[in-house]
Amino acid sequence: TQLLEQSPQFLSIQEGENLTVYCNSSSVFSSLQWYRQEPGEGPVLLVTVVTGGEVKKLKRLTFQFGDARKDSSLHITAAQPGDTGLYLCAGASWYGNKLVFGAGTILRVKS
Amino acid sequence: DAGITQSPRYKITETGRQVTLMCHQTWSHSYMFWYRQDLGHGLRLIYYSAAADITDKGEVPDGYVVSRSKTENFPLTLESATRSQTSVYFCASSDPGGGEGANVLTFGAGSRLTVL
Repeated sequence: TQLLEQSPQFLSIQEGENLTVYCNSSSVFSSLQWYRQEPGEGPVLLVTVVTGGEVKKLKRLTFQFGDARKDSSLHITAAQPGDTGLYLCAGASWYGNKLVFGAGTILRVKS
Repeated sequence: DAGITQSPRYKITETGRQVTLMCHQTWSHSYMFWYRQDLGHGLRLIYYSAAADITDKGEVPDGYVVSRSKTENFPLTLESATRSQTSVYFCASSDPGGGEGANVLTFGAGSRLTVL
């Protein structure tokens, strides 16, 4: 069974601070996705990383896929209250269409 | 509007009752999924379907039944609800394919179920 360990579980920071969320596994994934979920809504895709070592930037968010395709990180620069939410990583296996989700990181950015 | 719709959004039921959560998608995606979301566990896959009349168990299928007679609908039934099935349930769909679009899930807004 593939598992994704996501850390930290909770993060409460002040506006303007930087933060990093980690997603680690002993399994190799074909790709890794990051979703963001707001209260009362379903998760929404932020990014997909498909190549080992890949770095993708989305404004203040930087996503990295580990060289060995077993881990990923999400770095937010100068966090804003609008970044508050639940961040989920999800790994795709080389076969089939099922994703394995991490337990999520609840981020709260205080103004 | 195109998208994925879940109903009901909120449901309170009693132990032992049968409950059906509905899911309808207009994307014509071939794959559909049911997840439950509980604090500390993230999203856990209950059942999924690769196409009409093809369903398979996920990580936590016990106590649930699904069907998929039409591509656009994927109802989830709790045959005899238990308190441990109190959760938020999400339906999702995806289209198989290569590259970055592969396995990307589009989620519904969720159905919050409370079993008393």
